[in-house]
Amino acid sequence: GAVVSQHPSWVICKSGTSVKIECRSLDFQATTMFWYRQFPKQSLMLMATSNEGSKATYEQGVEKDKFLINHASLTLSTLTVTSAHPEDSSFYICSARGVAGGPETQYFGPGTRLLVL
Amino acid sequence: LAKTTQPISMDSYEGQEVNITCSHNNIATNDYITWYQQFPSQGPRFIIQGYKTKVTNEVASLFIPADRKSSTLSLPRVSLSDTAVYYCLVGSNNAGNMLTFGGGTRLMVKP
Repeated sequence: GAVVSQHPSWVICKSGTSVKIECRSLDFQATTMFWYRQFPKQSLMLMATSNEGSKATYEQGVEKDKFLINHASLTLSTLTVTSAHPEDSSFYICSARGVAGGPETQYFGPGTRLLVL
Repeated sequence: LAKTTQPISMDSYEGQEVNITCSHNNIATNDYITWYQQFPSQGPRFIIQGYKTKVTNEVASLFIPADRKSSTLSLPRVSLSDTAVYYCLVGSNNAGNMLTFGGGTRLMVKP
């Protein structure tokens, strides 16, 4: 099946610093990637939709200046959490649309655990 | 986007068949039904996808009635390692269409 990777898998940073998370589709080209956030014991919440070569579309309530998304190629999207604060601590998951033997669907990365001290 | 409703949690025992039903009354004509499995601190893993009738793969079966307003994920002979949260999602496969997650079903498999 389609493989999506994320880097880093976990990161600890001080409040006020910026953190970049990479999402790569390893064996397919993804014109669209998605970023989700998940708090403990909760479901995934969509943050933004990222299209290659264009600006990301953010969900209501998600600050675009705080969560910078870049989708520079068909296999790479990055999420930068700027001036991170403890409340940004969460599990960030990306996904990409692809095909693996059937209709196109979304495949998810392993997630990145962010802890802001 | 069609909203889904699933049981919050289910318990089962090793070796049993588990059926998780999802309601999606407002499913659109071009929507597919996709199920994901998620373990703690991992990204969701694709299990199965279908449009109508029955779909089967090496890990599960998906039953979809003619009106497509619900679907049932069937896991044969579960093991302890099947303890996870299972999400049912509906959405079209048009490029750019994202999947919106509901609450999911927390399955606990006991020895």
